[in-house]
Amino acid sequence: DIQMTQSPSSVSASVGDRVTITCRASQGISSWLAWYQHKSGKVPKLLIYAASSLQSGVPSRFSGGGSGTHFTLTISSLQPEDFATYYCQQANSFPWTFGQGTKVEIK
Amino acid sequence: EVQLVESGGGLVKPGRSLRLSCTASGFTFGDYAMSWFRQAPGKGLEWVGFIRSKAYGGTTEYAASVKGRFSISRDDSKSIAYLQMNSLKIEDTAVYYCTRDRREGAAGLWGQGTLVTVSS
Repeated sequence: DIQMTQSPSSVSASVGDRVTITCRASQGISSWLAWYQHKSGKVPKLLIYAASSLQSGVPSRFSGGGSGTHFTLTISSLQPEDFATYYCQQANSFPWTFGQGTKVEIK
Repeated sequence: EVQLVESGGGLVKPGRSLRLSCTASGFTFGDYAMSWFRQAPGKGLEWVGFIRSKAYGGTTEYAASVKGRFSISRDDSKSIAYLQMNSLKIEDTAVYYCTRDRREGAAGLWGQGTLVTVSS
């Protein structure tokens, strides 16, 4: 199975800050990577697919990058509604696997 | 409105069975692959299984933790996907979500989730 490792596990940031989350795959996954936002008690939301494609309706302050084994999710200017847990997920091969999550908290 | 609605969750004893349903509306259900994910209390997201569209054979894939116990099927005439869960274990306790998947392997549309609690 492909292991996905996110860092950091949590980040404390202020509104307006630039936040970058990293996801590393244990083997190459080309661009078969998605990013999700999950708020407590809510339904997960797809932000980015194919490593860098923005899902329809997602604000442009979210961007994804990388390929192979190293990926990033960047929030260019953190907004109050962005405080949540973020997960990466690989879809290169089954079983699909997630990173452990990164909690973005208010500083 | 494009949406997915899960049903069938509840409290069940270990070793028993439960079937979840995912009813789709607002889109051509048969054109899409569907997945099931879950989140156990205090844990992260976990992929459970996947079913391809009939155009791609309608075949299934499963996580190792549920393989042999869970099965996914679909009824395109009713726009419903099913998750049959047998031999349930306490560690299967979670909120279960069905999703409509993009071709890139990302879950683009999620249902609201249904809670399954396995307890004696």
